[in-house]
Amino acid sequence: GAVVSQHPSWVICKSGTSVKIECRSLDFQATTMFWYRQFPKQSLMLMATSNEGSKATYEQGVEKDKFLINHASLTLSTLTVTSAHPEDSSFYICSASLVGSSHEQFFGPGTRLTVL
Amino acid sequence: DAKTTQPNSMESNEEEPVHLPCNHSTISGTDYIHWYRQLPSQGPEYVIHGLTSNVNNRMASLAIAEDRKSSTLILHRATLRDAAVYYCILRPLSNSGYALNFGKGTSLLVTP
Repeated sequence: GAVVSQHPSWVICKSGTSVKIECRSLDFQATTMFWYRQFPKQSLMLMATSNEGSKATYEQGVEKDKFLINHASLTLSTLTVTSAHPEDSSFYICSASLVGSSHEQFFGPGTRLTVL
Repeated sequence: DAKTTQPNSMESNEEEPVHLPCNHSTISGTDYIHWYRQLPSQGPEYVIHGLTSNVNNRMASLAIAEDRKSSTLILHRATLRDAAVYYCILRPLSNSGYALNFGKGTSLLVTP
């Protein structure tokens, strides 16, 4: 099946710094990628929809200036958490769908962010 | 989005079949029933999906009620590696531009 990778798999940073997370579709093209966030013992919450070559669409309550999303190519989307604070500590997961497919979504392995 | 209801948790013995139920009484005619699972500290993975007919693949079977208001994911022989949170999700027939709306899912515990 199609593979989605994320980098880094985990990151620890100081409060106030910015962290960039990469999401790549390794063997397929994805016009749309999704970013989710998951707090401990909770379900995945959609943060934003990332479309190649256009601005991301953010869910209500997600600050677009804090969570910067760039989808520069059909295989790469990045999420930058700017001025991170401890409450941003979470598990960030991206997913992508095959172009023209209406079914299976492929998820990355997730990135564990810890802000001290 | 149409909502799904699943038990919070279920327990199974290893090598026994597991039936994970899902209620979706407000499903629309064009909603597909998707199942994903999430192993600890990993991203979700696709399990199976269906529309009206029962479906089988190498991972599981999906039994869909005739009125489509409920479905059951069947793991024929549970292994320890099947311990995960299982999500039942409705997704409209559309292009790939729709995100998945995750509920709380069912946490499956498999005991040796």
